[in-house]
Amino acid sequence: DAGVIQSPRHEVTEMGQEVTLRCKPISGHNSLFWYRQTMMRGLELLIYFNNNVPIDDSGMPEDRFSAKMPNASFSTLKIQPSEPRDSAVYFCASHTSTSNYGYTFGSGTRLTVV
Amino acid sequence: GNSVTQMEGPVTLSEEAFLTINCTYTATGYPSLFWYVQYPGEGLQLLLKATKADDKGSNKGFEATYRKETTSFHLEKGSVQVSDSAVYFCALRGSNAGNMLTFGGGTRLMVKP
Repeated sequence: DAGVIQSPRHEVTEMGQEVTLRCKPISGHNSLFWYRQTMMRGLELLIYFNNNVPIDDSGMPEDRFSAKMPNASFSTLKIQPSEPRDSAVYFCASHTSTSNYGYTFGSGTRLTVV
Repeated sequence: GNSVTQMEGPVTLSEEAFLTINCTYTATGYPSLFWYVQYPGEGLQLLLKATKADDKGSNKGFEATYRKETTSFHLEKGSVQVSDSAVYFCALRGSNAGNMLTFGGGTRLMVKP
């Protein structure tokens, strides 16, 4: 099992540009989570999908942020337009409701907006 | 709602010292409790878990006991190594929370040789 796969690992972009982060969850996992981690705010839950349906997006900071999960094996988090304060590490995690082993996290995407 | 409170870091120890990182929680019902570890440049990894009162989770020399009477799940290790330097997160999943985990703020551990 390759685990949760995120791409890219690092992204540097200019303010105002569109950024798309990608996540492939573990096969068979039916829940997917997007988190943002910064020194100032720690680990924040942005959005949560269950069976490809967004369940809770109350953590999405602004309308500039959007997330989709078109199928069980792929999700995207898009920021348009990006701003310097969006600079953070973005993590994707997946989970199966049949397990009590908590979440499996990807290695994250370090986003820098200049 | 559910919440998790961890001691603030950083915690700085010498190699072979005893480690305790405190974690307390607030939840209704009977939550499951977890400790995650995040090594530099990596995502969070599950370290150990406990699903009911008095359960002890253990892994890699770390232990934590689910104490319902004190709503605590303190992480301990008898002899830390430099390689244990990381950020440790306590988390819970409430009995009515579906798949949602609630994380504490994380505690950075620095172990010096």
